[in-house]
Amino acid sequence: NAGVMQNPRHLVRRRGQEARLRCSPMKGHSHVYWYRQLPEEGLKFMVYLQKENIIDESGMPKERFSAEFPKEGPSILRIQQVVRGDSAAYFCASSPPGTSGIYEQYFGPGTRLTVT
Amino acid sequence: SQQGEEDPQALSIQEGENATMNCSYKTSINNLQWYRQNSGRGLVHLILIRSNEREKHSGRLRVTLDTSKKSSSLLITASRAADTASYFCATGGGNKLTFGTGTQLKVEL
Repeated sequence: NAGVMQNPRHLVRRRGQEARLRCSPMKGHSHVYWYRQLPEEGLKFMVYLQKENIIDESGMPKERFSAEFPKEGPSILRIQQVVRGDSAAYFCASSPPGTSGIYEQYFGPGTRLTVT
Repeated sequence: SQQGEEDPQALSIQEGENATMNCSYKTSINNLQWYRQNSGRGLVHLILIRSNEREKHSGRLRVTLDTSKKSSSLLITASRAADTASYFCATGGGNKLTFGTGTQLKVEL
């Protein structure tokens, strides 16, 4: 059973370009989460999605950032007009459907975005 | 701001010794989890302890939770060089995890 997959693993963009980060959750998982990690810091929650729905985007910057999880295909985190401050590692995690609210999340290897 | 704060920020020990990391949090929780992150990699789930549990074991790992003090500890016994990594506590459940700042553990031969 393949784990959470993210691509690309490394992405270099010039200021002003767009960055698209992809995440395929584990098989059978319907919940996807995106986190951002700045150097020497812990992960910070960005957004939580289920298929075709954004459930919680309280951690997303108000501008330039968007996320989707379509009915078919991977979840996409999109950053428009990137700036140097967007340079970070972006991690995707997934979890199985459930109602208890107590479960672990399975993380992908991350995409390291560098903005030059 | 981070919900969890790990202490110490960094820890260096010899192989075979025990390593203890602490985590404090601010709000009430349903559960607390510990994750490991090797350099340049994603996070690996280690152990989850529920708010009604006080102690949990998994192999060489022992986690305690004191909800009255809003704190948790992770003990790694008989450490190995392969345990070298950053360790994060995370609180939450439901739709998101809130991570602490992490403890960088280095186990030297």
